[in-house]
Parts: sequence; C-alpha cells; structure tokens
Amino acid sequence: DTGVSQDPRHKITKRGQNVTFRCDPISEHNRLYWYRQTLGQGPEFLTYFQNEAQLEKSRLLSDRFSAERPKGSFSTLEIQRTEQGDSAMYLCASSLVMENTEAFFGQGTRLTVV
Amino acid sequence: GQQLNQSPQSMFIQEGEDVSMNCTSSSIFNTWLWYKQDPGEGPVLLIALYKAGELTSNGRLTAQFGITRKDSFLNISASIPSDVGIYFCAGLPWGTYKYIFGTGTRLKVLA
Repeated sequence: DTGVSQDPRHKITKRGQNVTFRCDPISEHNRLYWYRQTLGQGPEFLTYFQNEAQLEKSRLLSDRFSAERPKGSFSTLEIQRTEQGDSAMYLCASSLVMENTEAFFGQGTRLTVV
Repeated sequence: GQQLNQSPQSMFIQEGEDVSMNCTSSSIFNTWLWYKQDPGEGPVLLIALYKAGELTSNGRLTAQFGITRKDSFLNISASIPSDVGIYFCAGLPWGTYKYIFGTGTRLKVLA
C-alpha cells in the first residue's frame, strides 16, 4: 500500500497525559501536512513541512503542540498535557512540490481525552 | 481558522437524482479539490482542478473551476446509495501551499 499511513487509528488518553501520533506520507511526496477536524467541521490546517523544514504553523498550534519531520520522511505530532478540547480527528496529508498538485490524506487518528 | 463557504450544508435526495453543490471564497484560489469523507475515515480525493473555467469529470462526478477563481462546483449524476457521505471542497489560495477546506455538504440518498 503506497498511501498515507497514520498510527494509531484511535487513542484514548487521560487529561494531562502526553500523546504522539505518527504519519508516513506517500514515499515520493516532499510536502506533509497536519490538519485537525472536530465533529461537524471541515479539516483545519495546523502545520506543514517541505522535506524536513516546517514552513508554516497555524495559531491553532499552541505551545503544547509540536510537530517534527526529522529526515524529511515520516512525521510526528506530539500534544503535551492534553486537554478535553484536544479531542478531535488528526489528519495527515502529503503532496508533491509542484505548481499544480493535490493532497492525499491518511485515515486519521481519532483522539479522545477523558 | 479560515474555511470556505460551502452549500448546501446538507441534502436528502432520491436515488437516481442529480446533485449539485458549490463552494465560494472571498479570495482567489489557484487550485480546487473535491473530497468525500465517510464517518471515521480520512477524506478521499475525488477531483482536482487547476485552471479557471476547467471542467473535469470522474465517472458520475463533474466539477468546475469558476471563472472568477473564487468558486467551484461539484455535480453528481444519477446518485446511488453509496454516494452518502460528506463532501468537502478545498482550495489553495494564490501564493500559498496551505489548503483551506469548506464546511462540508452532507449528502443522504434515499433508496
């Protein structure tokens, strides 16, 4: 399977705990995106990487959130000291670095903070 | 965060009917994408549009990139029960690489 892969698919955590999600993009894709989606809403941009460089971060990405893409391949998104408001679907997408390009999404990680 | 205006928000249709939905923005976009999302899954890309006025089909789906570059339309012909889901538009504003999503159109097909 050469699609975008996310792990885990589901995560239930207690408030205050740290969680980390992983995303493996399509192998030849240079750009990698993280989005957050809450119930009934469209995906909201969090951040994106071009190779290993993090080029843009949303103001939705508070100090408790950090994303890395150390070797320009897979990426991790960590949330520290989780809060109930962090409960959402976290989506990863990847694309090529081209003038006209589309983004392909993974299946998402559903986070529930209790 | 910024989201595109998508309409209608939801619709119930009979199997076999055609469906139309649209997406509008206050700013110019240079790419429009249409996705379908099933519950608990990630969005699946349906159609990509890159030029103003472009009309592209994918099976029973047809999408158009508006001439003003501020809107896009998706049509589904002869709907079937498996068309049920949420359809999202997404646009790439001029000069950025950050995709902005619409609020979604929830489609329910009555057999």
